[in-house]
Amino acid sequence: ETGVTQSPTHLIKTRGQQVTLRCSSQSGHNTVSWYQQALGQGPQFIFQYYREEENGRGNFPPRFSGLQFPNYSSELNVNALELDDSALYLCASAGYNEQFFGPGTRLTVL
Amino acid sequence: GQQVMQIPQYQHVQEGEDFTTYCNSSTTLSNIQWYKQRPGGHPVFLIQLVKSGEVKKQKRLTFQFGEAKKNSSLHITATQTTDVGTYFCAGIVNSGTYKYIFGTGTRLKVLA
Repeated sequence: ETGVTQSPTHLIKTRGQQVTLRCSSQSGHNTVSWYQQALGQGPQFIFQYYREEENGRGNFPPRFSGLQFPNYSSELNVNALELDDSALYLCASAGYNEQFFGPGTRLTVL
Repeated sequence: GQQVMQIPQYQHVQEGEDFTTYCNSSTTLSNIQWYKQRPGGHPVFLIQLVKSGEVKKQKRLTFQFGEAKKNSSLHITATQTTDVGTYFCAGIVNSGTYKYIFGTGTRLKVLA
């Protein structure tokens, strides 16, 4: 167990809808990253938050946005869902030398 | 764009055989990390390498970081059925902002 939790576990949405995914970081970790992992592929970096500020972003459009709260929990928001957004969404809280991944949220867009 | 490729994509080995996966980045990396992901699971951290030419060992696993900090390898000696999974390398790209890139992964199957 990494101490990183994510909710919900599974989610089904329709195209055009909006979704919010949540992550609780491991205690003491002030950095959280979000990843999208399509079936059979490696995780794709969406963005990272450090002390409530976004400090890095991958090649994802602005409809992917996030928040980090004072207790270092985090949200990933995706607007105007597309079919290709169907994937496993992983958050990871960062220690000094490693990232601890949560179990992920499986999003299906119909 | 920046990408990290791993070869092979798949590898089937007999239990007891050795296994190696290679990781090649199109750009210099600040560090390299290796993760293992079991089917249906999430990535689990194995190790981090930071220095050019660094070699680290963990029991049957040996990790190397290339001199140019653009490539890396993971070697498993005498594979066991518990080694089954997908192995990913991942690194931070040297750029003005923080950007983390995962490799394409190598899926290992071990036949008993």
